[in-house]
Amino acid sequence: DVKVTQSSRYLVKRTGEKVFLECVQDMDHENMFWYRQDPGLGLRLIYFSYDVKMKEKGDIPEGYSVSREKKERFSLILESASTNQTSMYLCASSFQSNEQFFGPGTRLTVL
Amino acid sequence: SQQGEEDPQALSIQEGENATMNCSYKTSINNLQWYRQNSGRGLVHLILIRSNEREKHSGRLRVTLDTSKKSSSLLITASRAADTASYFCAKGGGSNYKLTFGKGTLLTVNP
Repeated sequence: DVKVTQSSRYLVKRTGEKVFLECVQDMDHENMFWYRQDPGLGLRLIYFSYDVKMKEKGDIPEGYSVSREKKERFSLILESASTNQTSMYLCASSFQSNEQFFGPGTRLTVL
Repeated sequence: SQQGEEDPQALSIQEGENATMNCSYKTSINNLQWYRQNSGRGLVHLILIRSNEREKHSGRLRVTLDTSKKSSSLLITASRAADTASYFCAKGGGSNYKLTFGKGTLLTVNP
């Protein structure tokens, strides 16, 4: 069974902390994505990666960075967390332009 | 800007009835995909329809695509309480495998 896993389901951090969200997929997919989901705004793409060490900005990259050192792992980094980054974060992977497989999500609260 | 806007925002029906959700988009697409999200969870891919296809079926799901009107519809027949979820359409286009999601339709199926 294909699987995308995220390191935490729930996370509480303080303003100014550095936050790492990890995503791992076991499908050998080239493409990986990070979204945030907020009520009334739907899913918005933060960053995506189409190969190891390759990354492209999505629609809302400000305040975030990413790392993809290995094909199966894509990390989202909040360099200095702020309260407006409280959100549900969803990771996904895909092969070419086919369907995306999503992880269960990480609900991040920044106090 | 958001592509793939769903209509209606919310839909409440009785078990056994059919549910129809619509999606409009603004620019050309390679494919259009529909996803389901149960409360607080990740998204699950339902069906993909390519730009040269007009209709596709999968079990109780029927998707149509009208590229002249830049719209798609998702029909769920004989709905069940377990179909209660948010449904998102996502536009796929270009060569970078990104999807652009709409804000979703919240479907409630009452037993």
